[in-house]
Amino acid sequence: GENVEQHPSTLSVQEGDSAVIKCTYSDSASNYFPWYKQELGKRPQLIIDIRSNVGEKKDQRIAVTLNKTAKHFSLHITETQPEDSAVYFCAASDFGNEKLTFGTGTRLTIIP
Amino acid sequence: NAGVTQTPKFRVLKTGQSMTLLCAQDMNHEYMYWYRQDPGMGLRLIHYSVGEGTTAKGEVPDGYNVSRLKKQNFLLGLESAAPSQTSVYFCASNPTGNAGELFFGEGSRLTVL
Repeated sequence: GENVEQHPSTLSVQEGDSAVIKCTYSDSASNYFPWYKQELGKRPQLIIDIRSNVGEKKDQRIAVTLNKTAKHFSLHITETQPEDSAVYFCAASDFGNEKLTFGTGTRLTIIP
Repeated sequence: NAGVTQTPKFRVLKTGQSMTLLCAQDMNHEYMYWYRQDPGMGLRLIHYSVGEGTTAKGEVPDGYNVSRLKKQNFLLGLESAAPSQTSVYFCASNPTGNAGELFFGEGSRLTVL
C-alpha cells in the first residue's frame, strides 16, 4: 500500500517569513495530493490539492509543488501570519483507490 | 446543513467496556470513513464505506467494527475497549471517493482507563 512520509514534524517560522513542508510517497500510481490544515482542537480542513497532471498550484499565499519523478510534493506558505499556526497534513491516493493515506503531520508555529 | 456530526464528543471507558460512535452526514455523500488520530502518527484509517450496506477495512481495523445500514450514518463500535484505543476519532465523508475533498466531523475524544 501507499506510504507517505512528512518532514519536518515541527517548524517554527518568524511572522512574515516563508514555510515549506515536504512529503514523499511510495506508490507511483498515486495521482492526487491534498493538504489539510488542523487548528488546535478543530477538525482537519482541505486547504489546497494538486493532481498529477500539473506541477504547481497556487492559491494566494499557499502553493503546492509536485515532482512525480522523485515522488515528492511540498507545501509553501509565504508571508506567514499568526493564523497560519496549525498542524498540516499531506496525503496521497491514486484514482482507483477509495482512500487517502496521510502523512504524520507538521506542527507549524508562527512567531510574532 | 450540519455537514458531518459525531456523537458523543467525549467519552471515558473502562477496559473491557463496549461503546458505539455515531457519525451522521446530511450531504448525501456515498463514501464515509473512520480515522483515529494519535500524537505523531497522523490520521490512520480504521474502516470505510463506499455506500449503504458496504464496509471495508482500512489500515488499523483490529478491535473495531462498523456498520452502514443507512446512507447518512456510519457507526464505529468497540466491543471490548483497550487502553491502546485511547485516541481522537474523526469521521469523514466524500461525495465521490478518491480524488476529492474529505469533510470531517469535529472529532470524538475517547479515553480508555
